[in-house]
Amino acid sequence: DTVLTQSPALAVSLGQRVTISCRASKSVSTYMHWYQQKSGQQPKLLIYSASNLESGVPSRFSGSGSGTDFTLTIDPVEADDIANYYCQQSNELPLTFGSGTKLEIK
Amino acid sequence: EVQLVESGGGLVQPGRSLKLSCLASGFTFSNYGMNWIRQAPGKGLEWVASISSSSSYIYYADTVKGRFTISRDNAKNTLYLQMTSLRSEDTALYYCAKGPILFDYWGQGVMVTVSS
Repeated sequence: DTVLTQSPALAVSLGQRVTISCRASKSVSTYMHWYQQKSGQQPKLLIYSASNLESGVPSRFSGSGSGTDFTLTIDPVEADDIANYYCQQSNELPLTFGSGTKLEIK
Repeated sequence: EVQLVESGGGLVQPGRSLKLSCLASGFTFSNYGMNWIRQAPGKGLEWVASISSSSSYIYYADTVKGRFTISRDNAKNTLYLQMTSLRSEDTALYYCAKGPILFDYWGQGVMVTVSS
């Protein structure tokens, strides 16, 4: 199975830039996707195929990477961005998610 | 507007069965693969099962293989998850998600609690 590793939590000041990382245990090419999950809500797709912004998602969000190392960038961070962020690979079965990164405000 | 509405959850004893449903609307259901994804309380997301648009391809996570069955009725725009031999570790919020391999729409989820 492809294991995706994320930092558990990040603290950032409003208006600053934050990068959330996801490292895969083997290459997933660009078959990496990012989701935002706010408290008590279902996840929401933000970025697909490493760098493509899902329709309706603010341009403050961007994604990059290929192979084993990926990042989700939020610039600038707004209060509404407080959430858990998950990466997910679709290069092989089983489909797997990272354990999530909790974004907190300093 | 795409909508996915799950139902059928509840409290069930270990070893018993439960069947979840997901009613889809706002898109041509028969054209898309669908998925079940679960989230244990306070934990992360775990993919459970996928089914292709015509039910030709079906895949399961190892943790549920042999116990859970994913199916769909395209005439009724409904996705199902039949769960048998339930265990305490199956306790989770179960989401229906539009696929096939990335999840662009999710339902609100339905809670399944396995406990005696």
